[in-house]
Amino acid sequence: KAGVTQTPRYLIKTRGQQVTLSCSPISGHRSVSWYQQTPGQGLQFLFEYFSETQRNKGNFPGRFSGRQFSNSRSEMNVSTLELGDSALYLCASSPSGDSAETQYFGPGTRLLVL
Amino acid sequence: GNSVTQMEGPVTLSEEAFLTINCTYTATGYPSLFWYVQYPGEGLQLLLKATKADDKGSNKGFEATYRKETTSFHLEKGSVQVSDSAVYFCALSPSGGSNYKLTFGKGTLLTVNP
Repeated sequence: KAGVTQTPRYLIKTRGQQVTLSCSPISGHRSVSWYQQTPGQGLQFLFEYFSETQRNKGNFPGRFSGRQFSNSRSEMNVSTLELGDSALYLCASSPSGDSAETQYFGPGTRLLVL
Repeated sequence: GNSVTQMEGPVTLSEEAFLTINCTYTATGYPSLFWYVQYPGEGLQLLLKATKADDKGSNKGFEATYRKETTSFHLEKGSVQVSDSAVYFCALSPSGGSNYKLTFGKGTLLTVNP
């Protein structure tokens, strides 16, 4: 099976712009989660989707949003970018999102905000 | 809330040395526990996991035992190789079904010298 794919792999944006990141989960996986990784804060949970519904959300401002499509592909959007949004954004998928399941991570999208 | 504390390192070892990376957690109930590894420029890969107390996870010579009494999940390897150089993350997901959300430690950078 193909792994989790994320596009684009690299992005450069300026403050105030918005950005959309895309994630395609492993075939058959219906749960998709997003994480932000920064040197200072480490890995932080953004949100999780299952069957097009957001089931869990981390402690991020409303500028961060996401959605999931009927084919389980997911997108996340960050509006009004700030310098502090520069990070590696990781997507992960699992079959159903059960807490004992392994999450499979994509390679990430590296976002640089200037 | 849930939290994971792991030794931050960096840890530098010679090839064939013994490795221990300590990890302790705070959570209610019986969370699932994971070790993930991140190689330079890549996403996270599952190294091993344990989903109930006293379980031992193992993979590629690495081992960790879920100790409920000490709330710990220390990672060990008897003889490290240069190829083990990476960042290692301890993580937990809460018990109680399908609200999947990983909480990570800060990560430990391991460098193995020939």
